Amino acid sequence: QKEVEQDPGPLSVPEGAIVSLNCTYSNSAFQYFMWYRQYSRKGPELLMYTYSSGNKEDGRFTAQVDKSSKYISLFIRDSQPSDSATYLCAIAGNNRKLIWGLGTSLAVNP
Amino acid sequence: DARVTQTPRHKVTEMGQEVTMRCQPILGHNTVFWYRQTMMQGLELLAYFRNRAPLDDSGMPKDRFSAEMPDATLATLKIQPSEPRDSAVYFCASGLVGSGSQETQYFGPGTRLLVL
Repeated sequence: QKEVEQDPGPLSVPEGAIVSLNCTYSNSAFQYFMWYRQYSRKGPELLMYTYSSGNKEDGRFTAQVDKSSKYISLFIRDSQPSDSATYLCAIAGNNRKLIWGLGTSLAVNP
Repeated sequence: DARVTQTPRHKVTEMGQEVTMRCQPILGHNTVFWYRQTMMQGLELLAYFRNRAPLDDSGMPKDRFSAEMPDATLATLKIQPSEPRDSAVYFCASGLVGSGSQETQYFGPGTRLLVL
């Protein structure tokens, strides 16, 4: 079992839909939870960062961490075609060494 | 604006040849990471440096891969000899540890390597 599991999709939604992306992890010591967005043929860029449990909101994006279930989520409201990308979760413990999910490919159709 | 740069952007080579990839981290960043990305394995950490010192290279095949930081503005990743299974996109990322803020990794555009 990989330390971080992420459904690769692909996920295809109409413009304006609410998108839910998820990762599960196995190590309860993980404390740092990140979502990166990667456009085609580009490097990943940080989208959301959460420490420990709880929710964090930034515009149309909300990140949730449920440490009891070892489950993290990224929600995108009012999705736009420009949100079409691969979304990668990245998780770390105290050593700050990131363990990455495989990424979920998202297509938002106009 | 400040960016991580990587050269070359694309490289096609034959099996057995040496490949050198270069990275210029963002000025002032003290941590540099080398990743390899493939469809099957996703992003894998190969090595990382802090203040130019190698901290972890456990993800790197030692017999053929080597990573160095000759100075604060240059990181290199070498593969010698290259093999077809090394075909992947290699990313360099830099970050600033100890700033009190979150430790974001800023990625370069990657080097797309194809070994024939």
